[in-house]
Amino acid sequence: QSALTQPRSVSGSPGQSVTISCTGTSSDVGGYGYVSWYRQHPGKAPQLMIYDVGKRPSGVPDRFSGSKSGNTASLTISGLQTEDEAEYYCCSYAGSYTSVFGAGTKVTVL
Amino acid sequence: EVQLVESGGGLVQPGGSLRLSCAASGFTFSRQWMTWIRQAPGKGPEWVANIYLDGSRKYYVDSVRGRFTVSRDNARNLLYLQMNNLRAEDTALYYCARDLGPSGWYRGWFDPWGQGTLVTVSS
Repeated sequence: QSALTQPRSVSGSPGQSVTISCTGTSSDVGGYGYVSWYRQHPGKAPQLMIYDVGKRPSGVPDRFSGSKSGNTASLTISGLQTEDEAEYYCCSYAGSYTSVFGAGTKVTVL
Repeated sequence: EVQLVESGGGLVQPGGSLRLSCAASGFTFSRQWMTWIRQAPGKGPEWVANIYLDGSRKYYVDSVRGRFTVSRDNARNLLYLQMNNLRAEDTALYYCARDLGPSGWYRGWFDPWGQGTLVTVSS
């Protein structure tokens, strides 16, 4: 049950795109298609942004997209906005009805 | 509106116990897996435990197995986490969350999360 690997930080200017990677193993990300992504603003609870690798819950802008290749999942934010500045976490099913999170990526809007 | 409200956190000495509660509303509680997730100060979330629809199946992260017990009361739409033999490393904000898996399938897609209840283990 080791944490998934994410870059500590990424940054971009308003309107640009940023991509956050999430690397696991064949026992989690690579073995299952049950990856989700969460955005957390300071002092707030995490909010689901992407589930089932690339699906968006109702109300999440289509600027957010997800994908997966092998043991690595990715979240892309297109048309970066100031409200997107936050911490982002990936999460994967890890078998035996358990899940594992990434350590988080700080997105900074320059 | 789907809502989850945690309570029961507080300051406890190492070796002590606490019971957390999570009150659910706005959805059919008995039809969803429920999960406890914790987040230590300045750290990422950590999956802690989950429980099947009728409470017959429960799963735990290795670090809490044998010390924590998850349970639910479907008649009252309540989720619980009994925490015994608490350690300093259990200090965290504890969230409950609904799993979005369809028809009783666990997927680890958490929405929504409650606001969290803070557990501090210190002498």
